[in-house]
Formats: sequence, C-alpha cells, structure tokens
Amino acid sequence: QVQLKESGPGLVQPSQTLSLTCTVSGFSLTSYSVHWVRQHSGKSLEWMGRMWSDGDTSYNSAFTSRLSISRDTSKSQVFLKMNSLQTEDTGTYYCARTYYGYNYFDYWGQGVMVTVSS
Amino acid sequence: DIQMTQSPHSLSASLGETVSIECLASEGISNYLAWYQQKPGKSPQLLIYYASSLQDGVPSRFSGSGSGTQYSLKISNMQPEDEGVYYCQQGYKYPWTFGGGTKLELK
Repeated sequence: QVQLKESGPGLVQPSQTLSLTCTVSGFSLTSYSVHWVRQHSGKSLEWMGRMWSDGDTSYNSAFTSRLSISRDTSKSQVFLKMNSLQTEDTGTYYCARTYYGYNYFDYWGQGVMVTVSS
Repeated sequence: DIQMTQSPHSLSASLGETVSIECLASEGISNYLAWYQQKPGKSPQLLIYYASSLQDGVPSRFSGSGSGTQYSLKISNMQPEDEGVYYCQQGYKYPWTFGGGTKLELK
C-alpha cells in the first residue's frame, strides 16, 4: 500500500537550516515524482519543488537559492533542505506523489509541523 | 505565476443539499485542474483530476466541470462527512498553484 511519511525537527531557530525526510513505501522513486508542499496554519497550500523520477529537480522560484531537494533511492527517501529560515517559514510541510505526466497529487504524507522560533 | 481564485470563501449546506464551489484561473489551464478535500489535522485528499475525472474511491456525488479559466466542483446530496476545506490546484504551468480554499460546513 502506498505511503509517504515526513519526518524532521519540529522546532528550528531563525536563520538555521531545515532538513526534512520523506520516506515512501508501496512504490518506487524511479517511477514516481515526489513533491514538497507547504501549508501555513489555517492557510492555503504552496508548491515548493519536485524530485522527478529520473532524479532531476524543479523548484518554485519563490524558494530559489534557499531550497534543495535530493533523494536516496536505496532507502526510498526524498530530502528537503531549506536554509535561512524565518518565522514566516512556520507551517506544515507535506510530501506528495505524482505519476509521470500526471499533474495532480494522488497520495500525500501526513505532514510535519515545523515552527521557526528562537 | 497562475493565480487561482476560489469562491465562495465559506458556505454552509443542509443535509441532502447540492453545493458548488468555483475556481477561476488567471489564464487558461487546459483542464489541468484538480480538487482536494482537507479535514482538520489531515492532509489533502484528491477528489477530481483533469477537471472532471473522479478519483478512485471518491463518492459519485462529487463531480467537476469547466474549461479554459473557469472550473467548478459540485457536491450533490451533502453528507456530514463532506465537511472540510476544498482546494483547487492547477498543474498546467510551474509553479503549480492552489486556490485559497473554501470551507464547507453542515448547516
């Protein structure tokens, strides 16, 4: 059965780097893309970036130079690293899956809440 | 970026009522439009993709329509489990963007 699960620190200090892991099961990272989507509390959703099935990446220009997405296919994990965190980066971070050529998310992780505060 | 504008911001419906939620894109998105339902404390769940295709396992009382820049989600025969926030999402051009959400409550 398809599962995605985010993990990472719940609290990050301002100006520090956020590191999150999305561990997937039930499908292969070489067949599906994994995306990161952020949601500020009580607000809408914001697409951050994508790890394609071939290992390429795409990013939302709103996060350019701060965001990096990588993966370890042997561990079925996709990683998010974002530096220079500010309080406005507080929110819930989700990883979600799309199939190649399909432009919608069919499975989502449960999300991980991240608070940026000193 | 393509802006997605949802309306209304919130609405309430009685049991069995039919409701519609609208989503307006700032430019044509060629039916690359998905709808999601999110319940409190949960992740979004896919309802509709490519504007009108029903995701497996989603009740048939949910339907989507539209073209060009205007799309809508219709929920027929409102049920208690339909309460939640609904989002539209365009997958036509990067960055993919979402609407602001519509909160649906049972009256």
